[in-house]
Amino acid sequence: GENVEQHPSTLSVQEGDSAVIKCTYSDSASNYFPWYKQELGKGPQLIIDIRSNVGEKKDQRIAVTLNKTAKHFSLHITETQPEDSAVYFCAARSGYGNKLVFGAGTILRVKS
Amino acid sequence: NAGVTQTPKFQVLKTGQSMTLQCAQDMNHEYMSWYRQDPGMGLRLIHYSVGAGITDQGEVPNGYNVSRSTTEDFPLRLLSAAPSQTSVYFCASSPGVVPGNEKLFFGSGTQLSVL
Repeated sequence: GENVEQHPSTLSVQEGDSAVIKCTYSDSASNYFPWYKQELGKGPQLIIDIRSNVGEKKDQRIAVTLNKTAKHFSLHITETQPEDSAVYFCAARSGYGNKLVFGAGTILRVKS
Repeated sequence: NAGVTQTPKFQVLKTGQSMTLQCAQDMNHEYMSWYRQDPGMGLRLIHYSVGAGITDQGEVPNGYNVSRSTTEDFPLRLLSAAPSQTSVYFCASSPGVVPGNEKLFFGSGTQLSVL
C-alpha cells in the first residue's frame, strides 16, 4: 500500500521568511495530493491540493509542487506570519475513492 | 451550517468498556470517514462510507465497528476498549469521491483515554 514520509517534523522560521515542507510517496499510481493545516484543538483543514497531471499550483502565499518522477511533493509558504503556526499534514491518494494516506505531520512555528 | 459535529469531546474509559463516538454532518455529504491521530503517526483511516448503507474498512479497522443508516450520521463503536485505542478521533466528510468533490471537512475531534 501507499506510504507517505514527511520532513521535517518541526520547523521554526522568522516572520517574513519562507517555509518549505517536503513529502515523498511510494505508490506511483497516486494521483491526488492534498495539504491540511491543523490549528491547536481543531480538526485539519484543507489549504491546497494538486493532481498528478499538474506540476505546480499557487494560492496567494501558498504553493505546492509535484515531481512525479521522483515521487515527491512540497508545500511552500512565503512571507510567513504568526497565524501560519500550526501542524501541517501532506497526504496522497491512489486509485478510486477518498482513502487518503497522511504523512506524520510538521509543526511549523513562526517567530515574530 | 454546523458542518461536522462530534460528541463527546473528551472521554475516559476503562479497559473492556464499550462506547460509541457520534458523528453528524449537515452538508448532505455522501462520503464519511473516521481517522485516529497519534503522535508521530499522522492520521490513519479506520472506516469509511461512500453512502447510506455502505461501509468499508480502512487502514486500522480492528476493534472498531461502524454503520451508516442515514446520510447524516456515522457512529464509531468501540466494542471492548483497550489502552492501544487511546487516541484523538476525527470524523471527516466530503461531498463525494470523484475529482473536485473530495475535499474533506473534519470535525473538532474526540480525545479518548483508555485506562
